[in-house]
Amino acid sequence: AQTVTQSQPEMSVQEAETVTLSCTYDTSESDYYLFWYKQPPSRQMILVIRQEAYKQQNATENRFSVNFQKAAKSFSLKISDSQLGDAAMYFCAYRTNNNDMRFGAGTRLTVKP
Amino acid sequence: EAQVTQNPRYLITVTGKKLTVTCSQNMNHEYMSWYRQDPGLGLRQIYYSMNVEVTDKGDVPEGYKVSRKEKRNFPLILESPSPNQTSLYFCASSLSWGNQETQYFGPGTRLLVL
Repeated sequence: AQTVTQSQPEMSVQEAETVTLSCTYDTSESDYYLFWYKQPPSRQMILVIRQEAYKQQNATENRFSVNFQKAAKSFSLKISDSQLGDAAMYFCAYRTNNNDMRFGAGTRLTVKP
Repeated sequence: EAQVTQNPRYLITVTGKKLTVTCSQNMNHEYMSWYRQDPGLGLRQIYYSMNVEVTDKGDVPEGYKVSRKEKRNFPLILESPSPNQTSLYFCASSLSWGNQETQYFGPGTRLLVL
């Protein structure tokens, strides 16, 4: 079965520190995109960052960056200089050209002041 | 403002009473989909639509119906809701169905079936 696994149900980080959220996935497709979504207490799903599987260079968006290891099917999210507003549930997902979009179960991130 | 809207945002109903959750997008997107979010399971796709009059089942379609008569609207219908359909529901849209397309999500509808 094609799946997304987030092995850390909960993580915490001290404000201004760096935290890495793990994600592994399993798909038989070779052409796909990977995404990280943030879900704050408002429940809104907000795109944080995305990565094309064909690109070796890791995507970055300001304080957010990914470590994409295609062979290992790993797609971790690094948040630098953590802020209180980063506290949220984070979901890893992939989308294939066969319209297969899968989400992980999520990691709840707490930011301590 | 480009957005996906859902109504209602909160709904409490009883078993067997038909209900419809509306979804509308103003971005002229071809692709729309419905997800349900449950603790420990993440988001799971219920139905999707690649364009007007083109719909297909996702991973968990049982107990749900959809229609796509207009490009902007994609309602989710629960003909006979049951307590196991208590969940948080999201509608999403993207420009097309390609893997590169980012999906934009509505604000969610929290449904409680008694």
